[in-house]
Amino acid sequence: ETGVTQTPRHLVMGMTNKKSLKCEQHLGHNAMYWYKQSAKKPLELMFVYSLEERVENNSVPSRFSPECPNSSHLFLHLHTLQPEDSALYLCASSLGTRKETQYFGPGTRLLVL
Amino acid sequence: ILNVEQSPQSLHVQEGDSTNFTCSFPSSNFYALHWYRWETAKSPEALFVMTLNGDEKKKGRISATLNTKEGYSYLYIKGSQPEDSATYLCARANRDDKIIFGKGTRLHILP
Repeated sequence: ETGVTQTPRHLVMGMTNKKSLKCEQHLGHNAMYWYKQSAKKPLELMFVYSLEERVENNSVPSRFSPECPNSSHLFLHLHTLQPEDSALYLCASSLGTRKETQYFGPGTRLLVL
Repeated sequence: ILNVEQSPQSLHVQEGDSTNFTCSFPSSNFYALHWYRWETAKSPEALFVMTLNGDEKKKGRISATLNTKEGYSYLYIKGSQPEDSATYLCARANRDDKIIFGKGTRLHILP
């Protein structure tokens, strides 16, 4: 156990659905991240939050909407996704900045039909 | 090199043999190099973080070295065991607080 949990672990949704991914960390970290892992590609950083403020948005389409209500919780709201958005979505946290070791959750495997 | 490159992409090693693989990265504006181990159906787990040229880190049978001038890091596994089967990721962090991951080396230990 890394101290970072993600729910759900698996999600199947249609292109017109709205769903949310949840991440929670119990490590007292100040930074949280969303990554996308597609087949045969490296981990792609999507969003970074530091002290509940979004500090990076890596040109992610607006159909992905992050929310960080406090330093322990991070959400990724999904709406009108495309089949190419099917991937593993990983959440991570670190004590401070990205220079420091990140602790990852187990991921949510998303399939968009 | 603009990206973080890992080689080989996949590797099969006989149980008991030792092995190593490479992470290559841009050497400019370097801050830290991270190695993670990712077992199937689990979370990526941090192995090492290295910052200084010449750094060597060791954790049991696994060790890593860092050359920041030429932009590479090696990960070594001595006496491979079945539980070493995983994908090994490296990630480079720069001074501007950007981090880039490689695609990983997928290691299979053959019994």
